[in-house]
Amino acid sequence: DGGITQSPKYLFRKEGQNVTLSCEQNLNHDAMYWYRQDPGQGLRLIYYSQIVNDFQKGDIAEGYSVSREKKESFPLTVTSAQKNPTAFYLCASSIEGQPYEQYFGPGTRLTVT
Amino acid sequence: GNSVTQMEGPVTLSEEAFLTINCTYTATGYPSLFWYVQYPGEGLQLLLKATKADDKGSNKGFEATYRKETTSFHLEKGSVQVSDSAVYFCALSTSGTYKYIFGTGTRLKVLA
Repeated sequence: DGGITQSPKYLFRKEGQNVTLSCEQNLNHDAMYWYRQDPGQGLRLIYYSQIVNDFQKGDIAEGYSVSREKKESFPLTVTSAQKNPTAFYLCASSIEGQPYEQYFGPGTRLTVT
Repeated sequence: GNSVTQMEGPVTLSEEAFLTINCTYTATGYPSLFWYVQYPGEGLQLLLKATKADDKGSNKGFEATYRKETTSFHLEKGSVQVSDSAVYFCALSTSGTYKYIFGTGTRLKVLA
């Protein structure tokens, strides 16, 4: 079945450690996205990538980094510079030419203590 | 800038009641409008969409009509079920951009 996989479902880290969240898709989509979800704040865009080896900052990119070495994969690193990293992180993808319909993964809940 | 405003929740209804969740937007140009649903602990699923004025999106008994004159895209369902309990997000996307603007979400609780 085609879809988006995010792993792990739950992730726990100590403050000061970098952590990488995985996102893989087998939908053959060109564009991929990372969002952060906090209670009562909806979704906020962290980074997005339209094609391999290219990505752009979203609205809240500070303290995060990404790479897009393969079409299928768009990992997100939460660095120690992110001041409030505990959140639910969602990855999404879309077909080129149809940016207005996004498909979401199941999410990763990151807790940093 | 572009924005989406949703009614605050939670919305609590009895099974078989009529549902309306209000959504209004501000955007330049002609946005596409969406409703997404998020069940507990899961990602978002596209529920319905409309890409131009007066379009009606529908799916699983839910409907929403793109009203340009009132800049609205209200979600409705004639008879809700317990299984409809979830968080509903209104969103827009403008042509030429890969960015979505999401509302803050409205939690719906349906009681048996």
